[in-house]
Amino acid sequence: DIVVTQSPESLAVSLGERATINCQSSQSVFYRSNNKNYLAWYQQKPGQPPKLLIYWASTRQSGVPDRFGGSGSGTDFTLTISSLQAEDVAVYYCQQYYTTPQTFGQGTKVEVK
Amino acid sequence: QVQLVQSGAELKKPGASVKVSCKASGYTFSGFYIHWVRQAPGQGLEWMGWINPYSGGTEYAQKFQGRVTMTRDTSISTAYMELSSLRSDDTAVYFCAREYHFDSSGFDSWGQGTLVTVSS
Repeated sequence: DIVVTQSPESLAVSLGERATINCQSSQSVFYRSNNKNYLAWYQQKPGQPPKLLIYWASTRQSGVPDRFGGSGSGTDFTLTISSLQAEDVAVYYCQQYYTTPQTFGQGTKVEVK
Repeated sequence: QVQLVQSGAELKKPGASVKVSCKASGYTFSGFYIHWVRQAPGQGLEWMGWINPYSGGTEYAQKFQGRVTMTRDTSISTAYMELSSLRSDDTAVYFCAREYHFDSSGFDSWGQGTLVTVSS
C-alpha cells in the first residue's frame, strides 16, 4: 500500500498569513500516460464531510477560492493557503488515488494563532 | 444540484451486520463511481472500496474483503454498503462519495455521513 504522510500534524497561523501543509507519498503517484499526479486535497470542518479542494495535485475544484493552491509532483506535494481566513479553520487531508487501496494522510489541523 | 443522501444512524451489536444506503440525485447515477470512506471517532479517513453503478463492478480494500458488500439499485439511484461481523472498532461515520472515474478527478461530492455504533 502507498503510505501518505502529512506534516505538520497541526499548524497555527495568523489571519492573513500563509499556511503550508506538506504531503509525501511512499511511491510516485505520477501517471506518465497522461502527465498527471493522482493526488487530491480535502478540507473537513467538524461535523461535516470532507470537501474537495484540489485534484491532480494542482487543479482547483470549481468554486474553491484561489487562495488555495496545490503544487508538487511524484512523491512530494504541498497545499498552500496564501492568506488564511477564519473560515479556513479545519483539518486538511491529502489523498493518493494512483492505486488501490486509495490512502489518505493522517490530517493537518489548521487553527488561527 | 448534486446530492448524496445517506440513511440514518445505526446501533448494532458485535457480530451483527449493517447496511447503509446512499441516494443520489441531481446527476446521472450510472456515470460516476460511488466510493465508501469511513472515519472512526477523532480519527482520519479510511477508504473501503468502490462500486461502478453502471456495471455493478466493485473493488474492495483488502482489509474489508469478505466482510463488505457494495451493491446498487439503479431504478432508485441508490448505492448500498453492507458490513458484516461488526466489531467495536467498526464504530465510525461512514461516508459515500462520487468520483468521475474516467478522469479520476477526486471525490467531488459526499454524503452527509452515517454514524454506525457497535456496542453490546
